[in-house]
Amino acid sequence: ETGVTQTPRHLVMGMTNKKSLKCEQHLGHNAMYWYKQSAKKPLELMFVYNFKEQTENNSVPSRFSPECPNSSHLFLHLHTLQPEDSALYLCASSQRQGAQETQYFGPGTRLLVL
Amino acid sequence: DAKTTQPTSMDCAEGRAANLPCNHSTISGNEYVYWYRQIHSQGPQYIIHGLKNNETNEMASLIITEDRKSSTLILPHATLRDTAVYYCIVINTGTASKLTFGTGTRLQVTL
Repeated sequence: ETGVTQTPRHLVMGMTNKKSLKCEQHLGHNAMYWYKQSAKKPLELMFVYNFKEQTENNSVPSRFSPECPNSSHLFLHLHTLQPEDSALYLCASSQRQGAQETQYFGPGTRLLVL
Repeated sequence: DAKTTQPTSMDCAEGRAANLPCNHSTISGNEYVYWYRQIHSQGPQYIIHGLKNNETNEMASLIITEDRKSSTLILPHATLRDTAVYYCIVINTGTASKLTFGTGTRLQVTL
């Protein structure tokens, strides 16, 4: 247990569905992140939130919409996804403190888009 | 940003020490060496980090050479549950929020 939880752990959705991924951190951190990990590819940063404000959007398509209502919760809203969006979606959190900032990851949501 | 080089794969017998090397010859003075691992289909797990001194915690030890151009992660008594991909990354203030993992070292612990 890393103190970062993600739900659901597995999700299958059609291309016309709307779904949301949820992340919660119990570490008192002030930064949260969404990453995408596709099969056989390196980790890709998607979004960064600092103190609930989005500070990084790594050219992510608008069919992915993040939401950070407070510093403990992070959502990723999904709509009209494509099969190539199938991947492991990982949430992480950290306490911003320069180069010694350690990110702690959740277990991920395995998404399959049909 | 400093790049790291790791062997693609390593084997280790259960109960023995696993020594995972990493080269980071272009590391800058303000950059930290971090190690994470990822067990199949799980989220990456933080292991340890250091600047220039050797570090030890309940999971592993990190040995950094005096010139800081390379480091070794040591799992003192490897178990089957340590089978994973191990990533060595170099982080500075500008990259701390934008983790990028390379291909890492796939460690296989065997009976």
